[in-house]
Parts: sequence; C-alpha cells; structure tokens
Amino acid sequence: GQNIDQPTEMTATEGAIVQINCTYQTSGFNGLFWYQQHAGEAPTFLSYNVLDGLEEKGRFSSFLSRSKGYSYLLLKELQMKDSASYLCAVSRGSNYQLIWGAGTKLIIKP
Amino acid sequence: EPEVTQTPSHQVTQMGQEVILRCVPISNHLYFYWYRQILGQKVEFLVSFYNNEISEKSEIFDDQFSVERPDGSNFTLKIRSTKLEDSAMYFCASSLPGQVSFSGANVLTFGAGSRLTVL
Repeated sequence: GQNIDQPTEMTATEGAIVQINCTYQTSGFNGLFWYQQHAGEAPTFLSYNVLDGLEEKGRFSSFLSRSKGYSYLLLKELQMKDSASYLCAVSRGSNYQLIWGAGTKLIIKP
Repeated sequence: EPEVTQTPSHQVTQMGQEVILRCVPISNHLYFYWYRQILGQKVEFLVSFYNNEISEKSEIFDDQFSVERPDGSNFTLKIRSTKLEDSAMYFCASSLPGQVSFSGANVLTFGAGSRLTVL
C-alpha cells in the first residue's frame, strides 16, 4: 500500500531550529516534495528531493533517504511567519501522482 | 510570476444543485489537477488531466464529478448534484510533466482555491 506519516503538530521557539520528519511507503517512487500551507491558503512549493542527500535553500533544507523511506524538512532561524502546516508529498507512478501526508502543524512561539 | 487562477473564490449552494468551479492553469503547463481539502483535514487528490483526458482519478471522483477543458485556457470541475459532504476547499493545480529532474518539472502550482459550502 501507500502511506505517508508525519507528526500532527510541533511547537518551536522563534529563532530556533526545527526538524519535521516524514516517512513513506510507496511503489514507483519519483521524488518527494515539501509544501507549506498557511491556514486558509493554497499549498506553496518549498523543496523537492529525488536523490539521497540534503537540498539546502536558504533557511530551509530537506533531506531524503530512499532506502529508509524517510525525509525531513529542517527550518532554521525560525520566524513567526513560519507558523503553518508543512505537507510531505510523494510523487509516484508514470503519471507523477502526488500522495499527500496529513501535514504537520508548526506553531512558533516568541 | 505565472499563477493559477480560480473562480469563484467562495460559493454557497443548496444540496442537490450543480456547481461548476473554474480554473485557468499556467499557460505552458500540461498537467492539470483538482484537489480538495475539507476544513482541518488533509489535501485529497481528486483527478489529474493530461492531453485532453483524465489520466488518473481517486475513489472520491465518482459519477457526480466531471472535468472539462472547454477551450485552450479553462479547466473546470463540475459537481452534478452537491451533497453536504462536498463542502470543502477545492484547489486547482497545474504542472509541467516530464522526467524526474531538478528543473522544476512536476512541481505543482496551486490556485488560491474555491471554497464550496453546501447547505
């Protein structure tokens, strides 16, 4: 079957670092995406990993281990505006269908 | 920056009525999608559309749903007879298909969504 797991909610302090984990089980893996979704808004693209390793983009980094079915999103120097849900999504199959995790709600406290 | 536009932003309808949600994908994108998100729940895939036909659909996308690309720009989702449980935010998205790469292929760009409330 296909399954994506990520924590439901996390809390972190402004200025700190937080790591959001995602584990997945799927066939026909094409890559893994992280999207950010503020309440009431559409998801917006953050990162994409297709090979093992770390992809860094400013304050955000994403890591992938295909053998372990595992990814994480690392957010540094947290800002209040980073309070949002972070969605892990796996691309699979010839149609590149995205399978979505339920999202991790990140709460940033001053 | 190119964007996906959706109309209406919010629609209230009576149960049993037909609803059409409209989307204008990014002009050079070739894959189009509809997703929905019930308040407080996860994003759910409904349907993908490529080369003027449905390429994949989920169990949610039953006979009450249909999609159409009536011209070169619009992509519509029709719900034939709405039910209370159809109340959700409906997101349209588009992407460039292709091989796995770092070029941005297969990255979904979402519209702002259409909130459907069925009474």
